[in-house]
Amino acid sequence: GESVGLHLPTLSVQEGDNSIINCAYSNSASDYFIWYKQESGKGPQFIIDIRSNMDKRQGQRVTVLLNKTVKHLSLQIAATQPGDSAVYFCAENIPPGGGSYIPTFGRGTSLIVHP
Amino acid sequence: DAGVIQSPRHEVTEMGQEVTLRCKPISGHNSLFWYRQTMMRGLELLIYFNNNVPIDDSGMPEDRFSAKMPNASFSTLKIQPSEPRDSAVYFCASSLASGKHEQFFGPGTRLTVL
Repeated sequence: GESVGLHLPTLSVQEGDNSIINCAYSNSASDYFIWYKQESGKGPQFIIDIRSNMDKRQGQRVTVLLNKTVKHLSLQIAATQPGDSAVYFCAENIPPGGGSYIPTFGRGTSLIVHP
Repeated sequence: DAGVIQSPRHEVTEMGQEVTLRCKPISGHNSLFWYRQTMMRGLELLIYFNNNVPIDDSGMPEDRFSAKMPNASFSTLKIQPSEPRDSAVYFCASSLASGKHEQFFGPGTRLTVL
């Protein structure tokens, strides 16, 4: 899962396994959450989002689960592939007074997929 | 669409020099964000603009940092004078301020200050 420490948490899996990446968020007022994927040398890329009125949302091979009671978010990747190797960030968003949501990013989890 | 465009992709400079990073957001997006990423601090929001107006610059580390957005298709982040601790990857991102709030990130500028 994510950490505020200096070292990125790392999850190593075998190709074809399912991966679960966890994230603890801090602000109970956050009502919108996004998972981003960052490959080496690139900027973060949107994967999936979820609003606080939902507890589960599915995309293509990915599922996000939200537990507001314990302020926990998880990203599940089915049948993990080598191309999924990247750093994954969760971002919590507090409702804006006007304009854009401003995300607060976690420190990230490094996913390594072994062929 | 080409996505968010940043230049230069890499910048190496000496301490004390002025550095200017450039960003072209996605056409039609009305929010623009500047981030800094380091291993020590992760991804930090420096400043963001809505409709070319700076809304929150509380993340700008010091007066040495300044950002401008003269029009909807261009923004700059300037560091003057630069210091070795400014070495990082700087990302620009843009989004629509309504509907889906997904941010689209550029490829980043890797800055090294010697």
